[in-house]
Amino acid sequence: DAGITQSPRHKVTETGTPVTLRCHQTENHRYMYWYRQDPGHGLRLIHYSYGVKDTDKGEVSDGYSVSRSKTEDFLLTLESATSSQTSVYFCAISSGDSYEQYFGPGTRLTVT
Amino acid sequence: ELKVEQNPLFLSMQEGKNYTIYCNYSTTSDRLYWYRQDPGKSLESLFVLLSNGAVKQEGRLMASLDTKARLSTLHITAAVHDLSATYFCAGTYYGGATNKLIFGTGTLLAVQP
Repeated sequence: DAGITQSPRHKVTETGTPVTLRCHQTENHRYMYWYRQDPGHGLRLIHYSYGVKDTDKGEVSDGYSVSRSKTEDFLLTLESATSSQTSVYFCAISSGDSYEQYFGPGTRLTVT
Repeated sequence: ELKVEQNPLFLSMQEGKNYTIYCNYSTTSDRLYWYRQDPGKSLESLFVLLSNGAVKQEGRLMASLDTKARLSTLHITAAVHDLSATYFCAGTYYGGATNKLIFGTGTLLAVQP
C-alpha cells in the first residue's frame, strides 16, 4: 500500500470552529489531492497540489483552503466549519498527473 | 465539462451469477479508472484503461473501454460474497495544472449466498 496517512481519522466539531486535516505521505509523490465523499455524489475534488507551495482549486473548493509547505504534507483547513461540510475526506497522491491516484484511509468529520 | 454516470446504483445478485456495471461519460476522457471501496474503508484501485478496446481482467472482474461509445463496463463472473463492495468508475480531464478525476456515484454490489 502507498504510504499515506491521514489525521485525525475521526473528528466531531461545532459549527463555526476552524478545523485542519492533515495528509502525510512517505512516497515523495509530487501530486496530492483532497476529496470529499458524500452519499449520492461519489468523490469530489476539493483542492490539489502539484508541488510545494503550488495548489489549485477543484470542483467544490468554497469554504476550504489548503497549504503544502513540504512535499510530504498537505493540509486541508475549514476556516469556519458548517454542517454542510460533514463528510468523509480522502487524501490521494500521484507521482504524475497522468498516473494513478492512491488514496489514504480517510477522515470522518462531523460538524454539529 | 466531464460527467460520469454509473448504473445500476445498487445491484443485488446471487452467488454464481454474472452481471455488468456500466459507466458512461459525457466527453473525451484520457483514461478510465475502476476503484473498489469496502464499507468504512478507502478506495482500492482495480483497473486503469488507457485506450479504446482496452480489456483488463483480475480474477472474476473484467473491465473494458469503448471510447467511441464513451462507455466502460465492469463485468462480474460467477460472483462470490467477497466481491460485495461499492465500485466506482472515474474519468479524467485536464484542467488547471493536472489531470483531474471525475467519479461516478458508485454501484453498491451485494452478493447474496
